[in-house]
Amino acid sequence: DGGITQSPKYLFRKEGQNVTLSCEQNLNHDAMYWYRQDPGQGLRLIYYSQIVNDFQKGDIAEGYSVSREKKESFPLTVTSAQKNPTAFYLCASSTSYGITEAFFGQGTRLTVV
Amino acid sequence: AQTVTQSQPEMSVQEAETVTLSCTYDTSESNYYLFWYKQPPSRQMILVIRQEAYKQQNATENRFSVNFQKAAKSFSLKISDSQLGDTAMYFCAFMKQQNYGQNFVFGPGTRLSVLP
Repeated sequence: DGGITQSPKYLFRKEGQNVTLSCEQNLNHDAMYWYRQDPGQGLRLIYYSQIVNDFQKGDIAEGYSVSREKKESFPLTVTSAQKNPTAFYLCASSTSYGITEAFFGQGTRLTVV
Repeated sequence: AQTVTQSQPEMSVQEAETVTLSCTYDTSESNYYLFWYKQPPSRQMILVIRQEAYKQQNATENRFSVNFQKAAKSFSLKISDSQLGDTAMYFCAFMKQQNYGQNFVFGPGTRLSVLP
């Protein structure tokens, strides 16, 4: 079945450590996105990529990094520079053109301990 | 920059009744798309309905319909015959096509509780 897979579902990290969240899609979508969701808030865009080997900062990119070496994969690294990393992270993808919605993964809950 | 506002942080409705969730947006664009997403307790984001701005006819999907008022920049969601499974966060979203891809902007969400 086509879709987006995020792993792991739950992730615990010690302060000062970097951690990488995985996002893979088999929808053949060009565009991929990372969002952060905090309680009582909507989705805030961290990074997005419209094509392989290219990505752009979103509204809250500080303390995060991404790569887009393959069309199917868009991993997000939460670095130790991110001051408040505990949150729910959602990955999404869409076709670059045409009338389409964003398709979402099931999310990763990151907790810093 | 585009913004999306949902003025109702929380709402509740009795099972089988009808409820309307509000959404307004701000844009200078003439061609864009609007969406309502549902996020149940599982936290999986699910598309409920979408509307193309160039279409005057309001979109409908079974018990879900929208009232799209382009001049007022309003995009409300009506849920008829509410069911317990409709309990979720609902997000309004705006999307426009750019020269280099798409831009999605989400509202803060409305938490809907359907009461038995």
